[in-house]
Amino acid sequence: ETGVTQSPTHLIKTRGQQVTLRCSSQSGHNTVSWYQQALGQGPQFIFQYYREEENGRGNFPPRFSGLQFPNYSSELNVNALELDDSALYLCASSSEGRDWGTDTQYFGPGTRLTVL
Amino acid sequence: QKEVEQDPGPLSVPEGAIVSLNCTYSNSAFQYFMWYRQYSRKGPELLMYTYSSGNKEDGRFTAQVDKSSKYISLFIRDSQPSDSATYLCAMSGLNAGNMLTFGGGTRLMVKP
Repeated sequence: ETGVTQSPTHLIKTRGQQVTLRCSSQSGHNTVSWYQQALGQGPQFIFQYYREEENGRGNFPPRFSGLQFPNYSSELNVNALELDDSALYLCASSSEGRDWGTDTQYFGPGTRLTVL
Repeated sequence: QKEVEQDPGPLSVPEGAIVSLNCTYSNSAFQYFMWYRQYSRKGPELLMYTYSSGNKEDGRFTAQVDKSSKYISLFIRDSQPSDSATYLCAMSGLNAGNMLTFGGGTRLMVKP
């Protein structure tokens, strides 16, 4: 069973640029969630995708967008990067249907984004 | 005020000590409570998962939830240097899907 993988590991961008981060879910998982973790803080929920549809969104502006593909891999896109977007971006996968209480979420190692 | 509060530490203990980590929360809709361990430059790893109030034990780890006080705890017995990490509490509501609300994390250092 393969775990959650993310790419790239590190990324450096300048303010105003756009970035795409990628995540491969754990085998058999149909749900992916994205979190932003600023240095010294806990992760904050960005959004979740279930079977290619957005299934919940946190308090993040529309310039944060995502996609989930038929193979359940996912992308996080951030437009018009700001300095405060510098953080560790975590992807987590799980396997359940809609409106469940919770299910074990398996996190990837994250992508560290630095915005200069 | 944050929905989930957690003392950032660092908490430094000698090897073999019993460690107590705690979180308080304000949202009474939270029903599921989790503890994650995060090593430096790694993703969070699920340690314990509890539904509603009560205790759960798994090896050296015990999780407690007191919903009446909106207070959760993680106890680590016979702590080891390999337990040195940041511990994150996380919570979700009954119909919130898997949206997790995390505390800020407590950094634990276990000295040999």
